[in-house]
Amino acid sequence: EPEVTQTPSHQVTQMGQEVILRCVPISNHLYFYWYRQILGQKVEFLVSFYNNEISEKSEIFDDQFSVERPDGSNFTLKIRSTKLEDSAMYFCAVREGHNQPQHFGDGTRLSIL
Amino acid sequence: GENVEQHPSTLSVQEGDSAVIKCTYSDSASNYFPWYKQELGKRPQLIIDIRSNVGEKKDQRIAVTLNKTAKHFSLHITETQPEDSAVYFCAATQRSNDYKLSFGAGTTVTVRA
Repeated sequence: EPEVTQTPSHQVTQMGQEVILRCVPISNHLYFYWYRQILGQKVEFLVSFYNNEISEKSEIFDDQFSVERPDGSNFTLKIRSTKLEDSAMYFCAVREGHNQPQHFGDGTRLSIL
Repeated sequence: GENVEQHPSTLSVQEGDSAVIKCTYSDSASNYFPWYKQELGKRPQLIIDIRSNVGEKKDQRIAVTLNKTAKHFSLHITETQPEDSAVYFCAATQRSNDYKLSFGAGTTVTVRA
């Protein structure tokens, strides 16, 4: 079983709309990550989050994207004004602490129409 | 940033034979190298990892070797079984970038019964 639960499993949205993807760890993880995987391609890093702030982000993670952990449990990725090219699988990953591996959730398949 | 190259892109082996996947990385500061297995439509699952202070690590039929000087690492699967069929991704990372994973392009392994 994954160490993190992601919802929804599949999201279909009209282009231009906003989507929020959610990630809930099952234990006390300190480090959170979002990755995306376009169909048939490799997994790409988007952003890492520690101590309630972004610690690293990629060039993909532009002003269209934001993350937050509003209630100390859910970790969310918001994509504003979605584009066709945002269609991908979005994975949340968590890490308990230093020298611990990252474990991925089952992902959210985002389809932009 | 880190750039990870992975070869081959596809690999077909007879059941019982060995499979070898090779990766190279560009950033000499990278010090942690996990391998993930991804079955179709599923999340990447960590199968083995190695840190830069170790040259080789083995877990049953899976082994990973690391050559820091040459900046390459390899995954070895012995006595392959049909359930080993999947896409395998190597990754490289380091603590200074919060362990964000830079993935290789993946290797599709098919084990023929």
